[in-house]
Amino acid sequence: DAKTTQPTSMDCAEGRAANLPCNHSTISGNEYVYWYRQIHSQGPQYIIHGLKNNETNEMASLIITEDRKSSTLILPHATLRDTAVYYCIVRARRGTYKYIFGTGTRLKVLA
Amino acid sequence: DAGITQSPRHKVTETGTPVTLRCHQTENHRYMYWYRQDPGHGLRLIHYSYGVKDTDKGEVSDGYSVSRSKTEDFLLTLESATSSQTSVYFCAISDDSGGNSYNEQFFGPGTRLTVL
Repeated sequence: DAKTTQPTSMDCAEGRAANLPCNHSTISGNEYVYWYRQIHSQGPQYIIHGLKNNETNEMASLIITEDRKSSTLILPHATLRDTAVYYCIVRARRGTYKYIFGTGTRLKVLA
Repeated sequence: DAGITQSPRHKVTETGTPVTLRCHQTENHRYMYWYRQDPGHGLRLIHYSYGVKDTDKGEVSDGYSVSRSKTEDFLLTLESATSSQTSVYFCAISDDSGGNSYNEQFFGPGTRLTVL
C-alpha cells in the first residue's frame, strides 16, 4: 500500500473552509484514496473516498490531482465539531485488509 | 451508525492476568479487525479476520490471540497481560462484497485497557 504524508496540525476559523492536504506520490493505479477522522477518543469515522474523479458527499469534498499523487479533503464550512484528527489512506478497493492510518493531521477549528 | 459494540468499555487488570475483549457486529460484514492506539503511534493493526475461523496477524500481534467462531463476534485475548499492552483497543468491520461496497471500515467505540 502506498504511503501518505500529511501535515501534523492545522487551524481553521469556524465557518471557513478547511483544506487538508495529503501526498501519496507512490499510489498505484488500482488504489483509492480514503479519508477518515477521529474525534477525541472515539473510533475513527469514514468520511469519503475517491479514485481519480473529484467526489462530494454530505460531509466533505475530495479533490484528487490529475496525476493522483496528492489530494485535498475540503470541509466547506468548518464547525467546532469538526475538530479532530484526519487520516488519509490509500489502498486497493478489494483484496487487501491493510489500512495504514499513520498519525494524520490534527485539525483545530477556532471560534 | 454501523452496529458495532465492544465489551468491556473499560478494564483495569494486573500484569500476568489473561484478558479477553469482545467485538460484536450486527452488519454481517465479512472482515473484522482489532487495532490498538497509543500516543504517537496512531492506529496499529493487531489481528484481522476474513471469515469464520479465518484470521491472520497484523503488524503488532505478539502477545495477542484472536478467535472468530461466529460471523458476528471477534474476540481478542491477551494471554498474559503486560503493562506495555495498556492502550485503547478498537474493533472495526468492513464488507468486501463489491457492488456498492468500497471496503470502508467502520469502527466500534473502543475499549480502554489499563494493565497495572
